[in-house]
Amino acid sequence: NAGVTQTPKFQVLKTGQSMTLQCAQDMNHEYMSWYRQDPGMGLRLIHYSVGAGITDQGEVPNGYNVSRSTTEDFPLRLLSAAPSQTSVYFCASRDSYEQYFGPGTRLTVT
Amino acid sequence: AQSVTQLGSHVSVSEGALVLLRCNYSSSVPPYLFWYVQYPNQGLQLLLKYTTGATLVKGINGFEAEFKKSETSFHLTKPSAHMSDAAEYFCAVIVGRYSTLTFGKGTMLLVSP
Repeated sequence: NAGVTQTPKFQVLKTGQSMTLQCAQDMNHEYMSWYRQDPGMGLRLIHYSVGAGITDQGEVPNGYNVSRSTTEDFPLRLLSAAPSQTSVYFCASRDSYEQYFGPGTRLTVT
Repeated sequence: AQSVTQLGSHVSVSEGALVLLRCNYSSSVPPYLFWYVQYPNQGLQLLLKYTTGATLVKGINGFEAEFKKSETSFHLTKPSAHMSDAAEYFCAVIVGRYSTLTFGKGTMLLVSP
């Protein structure tokens, strides 16, 4: 049981490039979400999904896209990277009320 | 909508001293409350949670928190700080099965010898 996995762990992008952050869980959780963590800001919700085919925006969705074609996977796409998207990204899945976090992806946009 | 306020972005204690990290929440319905800990360059680990039942909740590493509805608070305490407790602590709230988990901005705990 791997829990929540994220790839890559580190990534450096140039402004304007696109990329996909991968997230997968093997706990059969319906609810998955993406957060970004910035110093002094806590964790802010980007997008979330309550099941396959259902997604919704969180607090800071601009510049990010998500889709949920399977229960297991919830990728986060950066359409055109900007320096303001430099952050640590956490994926999470939830069983009822307890949330399980992945190890994070540290993204730098230059 | 729910919200969380953590008082103090940094808290400093001496080893062996009481740890008190403050968390107040705002919610129009009964909340479920959580404390997470994040060690440097690591992910988030659940310390403890309040869902229903006993209002004093015990977690890992000797931490506990008490849900006080009248004060809308969920403060985290530990009787005696250890150097290994130095980390960032996040309070979070959720109000329903499909509602979003909302975090406070975090409190960095510094422990000096």
